[in-house]
Amino acid sequence: GQQLNQSPQSMFIQEGEDVSMNCTSSSIFNTWLWYKQDPGEGPVLLIALYKAGELTSNGRLTAQFGITRKDSFLNISASIPSDVGIYFCAGLGSPFGNEKLTFGTGTRLTIIP
Amino acid sequence: NAGVTQTPKFQVLKTGQSMTLQCAQDMNHNSMYWYRQDPGMGLRLIYYSASEGTTDKGEVPNGYNVSRLNKREFSLRLESAAPSQTSVYFCASSVKSPLHFGNGTRLTVT
Repeated sequence: GQQLNQSPQSMFIQEGEDVSMNCTSSSIFNTWLWYKQDPGEGPVLLIALYKAGELTSNGRLTAQFGITRKDSFLNISASIPSDVGIYFCAGLGSPFGNEKLTFGTGTRLTIIP
Repeated sequence: NAGVTQTPKFQVLKTGQSMTLQCAQDMNHNSMYWYRQDPGMGLRLIYYSASEGTTDKGEVPNGYNVSRLNKREFSLRLESAAPSQTSVYFCASSVKSPLHFGNGTRLTVT
């Protein structure tokens, strides 16, 4: 199947720092999604991107759909303790048909006291 | 509004035992999905159901069966559990939109 490379695998930061993570694909996607998973819970959608070059914000989170349609980036500004968790990117090659959704392997964010 | 509800939350099985994981959604979504999550591998699709009465294989269907009992419920069955099926299982639903996930079932097969 399609491969999504998500990096970094883990991040250890101090509260207040900004965070950047990205996903790259070997194929073109028409939709990029970013999810967050808290311990013991299922992933929750943060941001959805539907157009190449699109830049979308959700509070302190900003995500971009790469112009080549093969990558996406997620930035978190001024991190706070509740940002801890695993962040997943996911890509879709068609507007509908979530059965084709491909997930990245996740970025685990830890905040050092 | 409960969203997607999975039961049980935790389960331990011996190799060869069978069990059914239950999933129900109250959002009137047409599509439902079963994923497994393993360390370092993200989420992988086991089976999905695009609508009531239909089911299809995903990326890793071997060793599993599913039943779309009605529009609300989609169950995943392990007929003869194997240690390789130790994982966290997530059910999700959607209707032409990003997926909504349940809180998972953590399964250990010894």
